[in-house]
Amino acid sequence: AQTVTQSQPEMSVQEAETVTLSCTYDTSESDYYLFWYKQPPSRQMILVIRQEAYKQQNATENRFSVNFQKAAKSFSLKISDSQLGDAAMYFCALMNYGGSQGNLIFGKGTKLSVKP
Amino acid sequence: NAGVTQTPKFQVLKTGQSMTLQCAQDMNHNSMYWYRQDPGMGLRLIYYSASEGTTDKGEVPNGYNVSRLNKREFSLRLESAAPSQTSVYFCASISGGSYGYTFGSGTRLTVV
Repeated sequence: AQTVTQSQPEMSVQEAETVTLSCTYDTSESDYYLFWYKQPPSRQMILVIRQEAYKQQNATENRFSVNFQKAAKSFSLKISDSQLGDAAMYFCALMNYGGSQGNLIFGKGTKLSVKP
Repeated sequence: NAGVTQTPKFQVLKTGQSMTLQCAQDMNHNSMYWYRQDPGMGLRLIYYSASEGTTDKGEVPNGYNVSRLNKREFSLRLESAAPSQTSVYFCASISGGSYGYTFGSGTRLTVV
């Protein structure tokens, strides 16, 4: 069975500081994708960053970057220079490549608060 | 605007009532999905449709039915609503796996 675990139900960061959200996963597949989604109070699900498992280089999108450790099955999200607008729920998600019709498996989420 | 459109955004039902949640996408995506989101549970897959004319059960299908009406539309039906179905429901679609899903804005459903 595929699983995604986010061990931090809540996190807090000071504005302009850096925070890292943790995610571990389990899959028997060798090819897969990993994602971080942001859900602000508006409820909209917003794709933050994605990583293809076959790529060794960690993905980066502006202030967001990941630390992808394939052997350890770890996929953490680092937010640099945190802003008030970063406050949201963050979900880590796994999708096997080509299998299960592209179903996304989600973690339970981490609620991030940003203090001014 | 291109994307996934869900209706309604909010709904209150009485136990035993039925309703259909509508979802449409205009991105020519093949695969569509219905998820439910509950506090502390993340998003769980109810049903999905890999292509027009096919549907399959996800993790939590009991109490729901779906219809892939055409390539654009994928509806979710609650035949006899129960309080346990109080949740936020998301529809999503996907073209290529590496780009992840495009989500609708969600439906908050309350069953009393």
